[in-house]
Amino acid sequence: EDQVTQSPEALRLQEGESSSLNCSYTVSGLRGLFWYRQDPGKGPEFLFTLYSAGEEKEKERLKATLTKKESFLHITAPKPEDSATYLCAVQARTSYDKVIFGPGTSLSVIP
Amino acid sequence: DTEVTQTPKHLVMGMTNKKSLKCEQHMGHRAMYWYKQKAKKPPELMFVYSYEKLSINESVPSRFSPECPNSSLLNLHLHALQPEDSALYLCASSLAETYNEQFFGPGTRLTVL
Repeated sequence: EDQVTQSPEALRLQEGESSSLNCSYTVSGLRGLFWYRQDPGKGPEFLFTLYSAGEEKEKERLKATLTKKESFLHITAPKPEDSATYLCAVQARTSYDKVIFGPGTSLSVIP
Repeated sequence: DTEVTQTPKHLVMGMTNKKSLKCEQHMGHRAMYWYKQKAKKPPELMFVYSYEKLSINESVPSRFSPECPNSSLLNLHLHALQPEDSALYLCASSLAETYNEQFFGPGTRLTVL
């Protein structure tokens, strides 16, 4: 069965303290892996798409990487405005390319 | 225009009411989605429309009825809902169903009394 897990469930960082969020997946053929940011009570905001192992994408303080079994979202020198829930989602080569979301990591960055 | 809009932002309804949620995008996307999200949980797929035709129905109860009048609009008709249906309802769109960089709207917060 296709599955996506994320760790940790919650993470508290001091401003400027770099860290990484993990997304592990088990799918029958990966079509794409997506990272989203979601603020409370709002819709998810698209961040990155990764398609193949070894691929990396960067945007400001965020860098996403992909291996055959997991993806990491690296946050360098985070600021309080980076506080949000980060969702990982995968699209599998199933009969209808369904997107499966992980449970998310809640990030809090303390000034 | 690079956004997905949803109306209303908030909705409170009784179990006997009929109401509708509306979603609109003008990005030329041909796939549109409805998700349900409960607190501290990820979005849960309900329906997918591809080229204005329903392509996925994730075994959603018939009290939820989707409609896609044209390529820019998506509606979700609600009837005889239960309190457990209270949630954030999210609309999303993507270029096509196989290109799943989905762009989400801000959601409608639904409360069923």
